[in-house]
This record gives sequence, C-alpha cells and structure tokens, in this order.
Amino acid sequence: GQNIDQPTEMTATEGAIVQINCTYQTSGFNGLFWYQQHAGEAPTFLSYNVLDGLEEKGRFSSFLSRSKGYSYLLLKELQMKDSASYLCAPSDGGSYIPTFGRGTSLIVHP
Amino acid sequence: KAGVTQTPRYLIKTRGQQVTLSCSPISGHRSVSWYQQTPGQGLQFLFEYFSETQRNKGNFPGRFSGRQFSNSRSEMNVSTLELGDSALYLCASSLDGVREQYFGPGTRLTVT
Repeated sequence: GQNIDQPTEMTATEGAIVQINCTYQTSGFNGLFWYQQHAGEAPTFLSYNVLDGLEEKGRFSSFLSRSKGYSYLLLKELQMKDSASYLCAPSDGGSYIPTFGRGTSLIVHP
Repeated sequence: KAGVTQTPRYLIKTRGQQVTLSCSPISGHRSVSWYQQTPGQGLQFLFEYFSETQRNKGNFPGRFSGRQFSNSRSEMNVSTLELGDSALYLCASSLDGVREQYFGPGTRLTVT
C-alpha cells in the first residue's frame, strides 16, 4: 500500500511563489505524478518524475527525492487561475497504478 | 485529437438498481482506468483495462465490474446500488498505463 501526506490547504498571493510538499511511503515505487484539479472539473496532468531531481516546465517545477520519499511542486508567478487542488500521486512499482493523495487546495488571492 | 469522453454526464438512480457508465479513450490509447471520487475519500482506483483485459484492480466489492472492447472503449457497471456509491466516476486513458493519464469529465452518479 501507499501512504501519502500533503497539506490540506495553502494560500498565496498573486505573483508569488508557492511550494506544495508531498511525502509518501510505498511498498514499491516507479515514479510520481502531479495533477491539477479545478473545482468541478477532472484532474489534468502536470508532471511526472521518475529520477531524482528537479524538472521544470514553464511556471511549474517538480522535484523528487526517491531515497527520502519526498516530492514538491513549485508554482512561480502565481495567477488567480492557479487556484485549484493539486494531487500528488506516486505510482506503484509493479502495476504502475498511481495512488492519489487527498490533494492540496491552493487559494490564490489578489 | 479528441479527449476522453464519458457518458452519461449525470445519473440519478435508486438504491438496488444497476448502472452502466461508458468511456471512450483518446485515440491510440490502450489503457483505460476507472476512479471513484468522493469528498471524503478522494480519488480511489477501481480497475484498469489494457487490450480488453483487466490488468489491475483496486479494493472495491464485486458489485463494481468493467470491460473493455476491441476499440479500447470501456464500460463500468455497478450492480445493486447503495447510497454510498454516490460519487463522481472518472475514466482516464493512457498510451500504455505507465505514462500520464488523461481524464474524462466524469459521470456524476447520485443514488437515492
């Protein structure tokens, strides 16, 4: 099984930077996904980390440390439209099925 | 390229009835997974189909079943509905089940 821990809620100001942390404990591990989910909508893919280190994609970056069971999602130059839930999802080493955390609700205010 | 589509978008059923949900994946994607999302439990994995075979299964009772057709379209069936089955059911397709998944808009099921 997998235990995933991420903050329930975070708030930040438009234009700022925010880091959403995720720790996980898994019986097997392949990689880690981050998804964004706006209220009332389906999740959309943001990033996938397999190797240790930082991967940057525009305003969003994701970091993984396999030995520490730790990942974070970094959002720069926050915009109001970034207000959403961010789901951390480590994937199982055998089945590759991602297990989703409860999500971090990010509120961006002016 | 068209995204993942799910039908119907909304359903209201009575306890004890059964329901069938449909999912059409992105063209070329062979893996289809189903998830149940509720406010209390978050996003929970039901099962995954790949090339018409159930490849992985989550911890749901046997009332939840599914299948995949040769064109990769998938259906999910829930028999003997319970009030607790009220949820958003999401379908996600992936090229091979290893890489990123693309979610459909979901079917909102309400059981009364």
